[in-house]
Amino acid sequence: DAGVIQSPRHEVTEMGQEVTLRCKPISGHDYLFWYRQTMMRGLELLIYFNNNVPIDDSGMPEDRFSAKMPNASFSTLKIQPSEPRDSAVYFCASSFGQFRVRDDTEAFFGQGTRLTVV
Amino acid sequence: KNEVEQSPQNLTAQEGEFITINCSYSVGISALHWLQQHPGGGIVSLFMLSSGKKKHGRLIATINIQEKHSSLHITASHPRDSAVYICAVGETYKYIFGTGTRLKVLA
Repeated sequence: DAGVIQSPRHEVTEMGQEVTLRCKPISGHDYLFWYRQTMMRGLELLIYFNNNVPIDDSGMPEDRFSAKMPNASFSTLKIQPSEPRDSAVYFCASSFGQFRVRDDTEAFFGQGTRLTVV
Repeated sequence: KNEVEQSPQNLTAQEGEFITINCSYSVGISALHWLQQHPGGGIVSLFMLSSGKKKHGRLIATINIQEKHSSLHITASHPRDSAVYICAVGETYKYIFGTGTRLKVLA
């Protein structure tokens, strides 16, 4: 498996534009996570899905952010309209299995999308 | 006070040195995760542990649930170990991340 694949790797956009980040999880994984990393706040969980269903979106900063997972092999994170403070690296990660049952359950991260909003 | 504290924030070591990175947390957790982030930005999972100790190559991770503390040890450090090491603690899947320890190993 090629691992978690994110696209694009870099995105530069103007304030007010819509931005869509994409993620392909590892085949067979039933959990998918979106994280944001900034210098000020480090890594933060935005939302996670289990079997394509959003479980917890309490980390999504504002209504401008939305995430979907239409099938087991694809997820998007959309920002509309984008603002300069959204500039960050956005990571997608996937994992398999119940966190508490398996001690060795681990999340596999994509390479991230570096978003710059000017 | 942050819920997850890492120390030191920055660490420079000479090749071959034994390195320890610490993580203390104040919340109840079901597991703790050590991540490695290389200068290129990619994140790799090193360990997930809920008790005791785990070893993988030159890396050793320990956790003391009662003291709410974990350590990551690197034996015989090498310049390729230079990275940011991030501790994450979780209850279900809601990880809380430390701010990371930036390690630089000099040849």
